[in-house]
Amino acid sequence: AQKVTQAQTEISVVEKEDVTLDCVYETRDTTYYLFWYKQPPSGELVFLIRRNSFDEQNEISGRYSWNFQKSTSSFNFTITASQVVDSAVYFCALSEAHAGKSTFGDGTTLTVKP
Amino acid sequence: DAGVIQSPRHEVTEMGQEVTLRCKPISGHNSLFWYRQTMMRGLELLIYFNNNVPIDDSGMPEDRFSAKMPNASFSTLKIQPSEPRDSAVYFCASSFFRGLPRETQYFGPGTRLLVL
Repeated sequence: AQKVTQAQTEISVVEKEDVTLDCVYETRDTTYYLFWYKQPPSGELVFLIRRNSFDEQNEISGRYSWNFQKSTSSFNFTITASQVVDSAVYFCALSEAHAGKSTFGDGTTLTVKP
Repeated sequence: DAGVIQSPRHEVTEMGQEVTLRCKPISGHNSLFWYRQTMMRGLELLIYFNNNVPIDDSGMPEDRFSAKMPNASFSTLKIQPSEPRDSAVYFCASSFFRGLPRETQYFGPGTRLLVL
């Protein structure tokens, strides 16, 4: 069965610090997608990235970067030089080939203090 | 393009009343999902549709909950009768399903439901 674990319930950092949000997944499939979503205090869920299981290249988008490692079943998310506007709940999700739906982690609440 | 549209954005009702939440998916998307989010239980998938057909409703809490998708551009989630424990934020999401694994889901703004 598919499972997503975000072990960090809450993280608090000071602005300009780098922070990494961990995501560990379990799947029996070789074909799957991994996602990150952001939920700011306003409440909406915003898609950040999708990565398929055959592409282990790390990705960088501005201050955001993602490290996908199949060997450890992890898909970690790093924010460089964090800003107050990065404060949000971040969800990692997994979509397997044999399942018809995605599984979300419990989310990590990131607070960036000025 | 317009995103997923949900209405109402906020709903306050009394226990026992019927509540209907509405969702319009992104045009061209053929999968639709209803989620519920609470502090205690996090984000839960209630039901999802492919091409207007309910595929998995195992997340629907009980018979008081029902969902329909009469056409590709509209879905409803109904709670009858409502109870205080149904208070939550209900999200609708849509995606384009072209085969497993499932594509990116785009979420609506959510409906904040409070049952008194």
